[in-house]
Amino acid sequence: DGGITQSPKYLFRKEGQNVTLSCEQNLNHDAMYWYRQDPGQGLRLIYYSQIVNDFQKGDIAEGYSVSREKKESFPLTVTSAQKNPTAFYLCASKGGSLTTDTQYFGPGTRLTVL
Amino acid sequence: AQRVTQPEKLLSVFKGAPVELKCNYSYSGSPELFWYVQYSRQRLQLLLRHISRESIKGFTADLNKGETSFHLKKPFAQEEDSAMYYCALRGHNAGNMLTFGGGTRLMVKP
Repeated sequence: DGGITQSPKYLFRKEGQNVTLSCEQNLNHDAMYWYRQDPGQGLRLIYYSQIVNDFQKGDIAEGYSVSREKKESFPLTVTSAQKNPTAFYLCASKGGSLTTDTQYFGPGTRLTVL
Repeated sequence: AQRVTQPEKLLSVFKGAPVELKCNYSYSGSPELFWYVQYSRQRLQLLLRHISRESIKGFTADLNKGETSFHLKKPFAQEEDSAMYYCALRGHNAGNMLTFGGGTRLMVKP
């Protein structure tokens, strides 16, 4: 266990506020990902980064933003523009070549908008 | 576009019974398929991948390109198999992203 951590475990936000979720990994992985997990919908990709200082939108990027200033860190900001932000957020990282696909997942952050 | 479908949201079986979690995919090329598992209060983790042709914790999965399926099977379910299972596909698109199915919750009753 360990290697990739997310904080906080639970997060509460008032409507209209931005909030940032932390994701850190010490696995020396180049690629990092943010997913949103909703019941019955599986995991949906929000953003991903294959290398430092570069990131790409996933399938549901609207209302979210990310940065990748360091290899170890890939924070996700949920902005007030996100219409339905209450969800479980998972961060993942992947090492090796692009064709090696074991993604290692963090423990997740549950965001609740009050 | 790539798509993964898990038709059953919930599958309930008795201990010792065979179990099959269904996964169907849509992809025009040759995909790589994976099963991920999330046990209660644990993080999501890789269970097995089709290219390895391995059996993990008694589970196997065969890629059937004709039926575009990758069903997960175990001949005798155990209570500790109760978990959320996700089928995932990696195509050969930009970024080689994984696409996940909606997940199936497996409950193994004593």
